[in-house]
Amino acid sequence: DTEVTQTPKHLVMGMTNKKSLKCEQHMGHRAMYWYKQKAKKPPELMFVYSYEKLSINESVPSRFSPECPNSSLLNLHLHALQPEDSALYLCASSQEGVRETQYFGPGTRLLVL
Amino acid sequence: AQKVTQAQTEISVVEKEDVTLDCVYETRDTTYYLFWYKQPPSGELVFLIRRNSFDEQNEISGRYSWNFQKSTSSFNFTITASQVVDSAVYFCALSGPASNTGKLIFGQGTTLQVKP
Repeated sequence: DTEVTQTPKHLVMGMTNKKSLKCEQHMGHRAMYWYKQKAKKPPELMFVYSYEKLSINESVPSRFSPECPNSSLLNLHLHALQPEDSALYLCASSQEGVRETQYFGPGTRLLVL
Repeated sequence: AQKVTQAQTEISVVEKEDVTLDCVYETRDTTYYLFWYKQPPSGELVFLIRRNSFDEQNEISGRYSWNFQKSTSSFNFTITASQVVDSAVYFCALSGPASNTGKLIFGQGTTLQVKP
């Protein structure tokens, strides 16, 4: 089973709202990732969690706050976003290590008004 | 520095034509991994293949085949007898020991349109 699930599929929020994106995997993977993808561009890495600890933060603004409650779950808390934050947010997971394949979820399409 | 170049921004073919998507990479690592992902309009990135730098054998999976050539730093992807369902954006990606957490370096992607 190589499934990563993400909720919600679509999200519309105002600039003063607080919302959260959720990601779940049951493959026993120990690394989880958040990516942001703008239209017609490749995914851009935002955060990496390894064994439930944040290992990479790609200089992401503090209005994005990741959380890894356990090895299967990954959240992305959103607060005071800007319209330019509108994008497809993808979650991925993998076994630890550079050789391992990252499996992606279907993404959350976020629109900030 | 690591880099992946997909020079073809968009390709349009008619169904049943063969099509090759090019991928050229740069890395100083001797051990690295190359990937291809497919992203249909629905948005999910679908894993297609992983290849390590020590395995230069070409691979075939149904209508898909991959040609890895270290001498030219290329990892090209061919779809034989293309179908409308192959229409998607295809990304080539690179990972290596320089990024121990498995950070993927993506190319810019090639949009493939297969017309009936």
